[in-house]
Amino acid sequence: SAVISQKPSRDICQRGTSLTIQCQVDSQVTMMFWYRQQPGQSLTLIATANQGSEATYESGFVIDKFPISRPNLTFSTLTVSNMSPEDSSIYLCSVEGQGLLEQYFGPGTRLTVT
Amino acid sequence: DAKTTQPPSMDCAEGRAANLPCNHSTISGNEYVYWYRQIHSQGPQYIIHGLKNNETNEMASLIITEDRKSSTLILPHATLRDTAVYYCIVRENSSASKIIFGSGTRLSIRP
Repeated sequence: SAVISQKPSRDICQRGTSLTIQCQVDSQVTMMFWYRQQPGQSLTLIATANQGSEATYESGFVIDKFPISRPNLTFSTLTVSNMSPEDSSIYLCSVEGQGLLEQYFGPGTRLTVT
Repeated sequence: DAKTTQPPSMDCAEGRAANLPCNHSTISGNEYVYWYRQIHSQGPQYIIHGLKNNETNEMASLIITEDRKSSTLILPHATLRDTAVYYCIVRENSSASKIIFGSGTRLSIRP
């Protein structure tokens, strides 16, 4: 299994500002993903964080709004840029690979934009 | 888009078996059926997955029809802690394969 931590666990931010969310895994993993879960909704995949190269974004998500870094096999960050109230969501990272049988999810970061 | 259809909600009495259905009529030959659940305020948790044979682990059983167009997740003795949203997902069994979540089934366990 994999143990995933996210920082911060929650934050309240003002519109127009940016927030960087960190995801740390206790073992090396091949794949890392970032999801968004809007209030009362299911999870939506934002992007795949690629180690050593640019992230792969899903339709409707762009790098300027959600820049992602993945400097090594255990760590990734997601930045939510120029925030608006519509960005209020739970952001989750997940990991898979390197001997893992399934995808593991972090506890999430609850973001509120005022 | 999600390739599965699930009822939006179900309820079950504590101690009884909870049977959660899922339709995946467009599943392809190399796609597996995965089940995850999300307890309130937590990240999704893996439950079980299978290709065509029925599967059982310490959490649940997965029954897949012979034509693979539908499946049922069975929680044999539901407890209050099983109250969660349950997601049925079809995907290739590869770490590069994305998980696309549908809307899931909200399961409520009543005392």
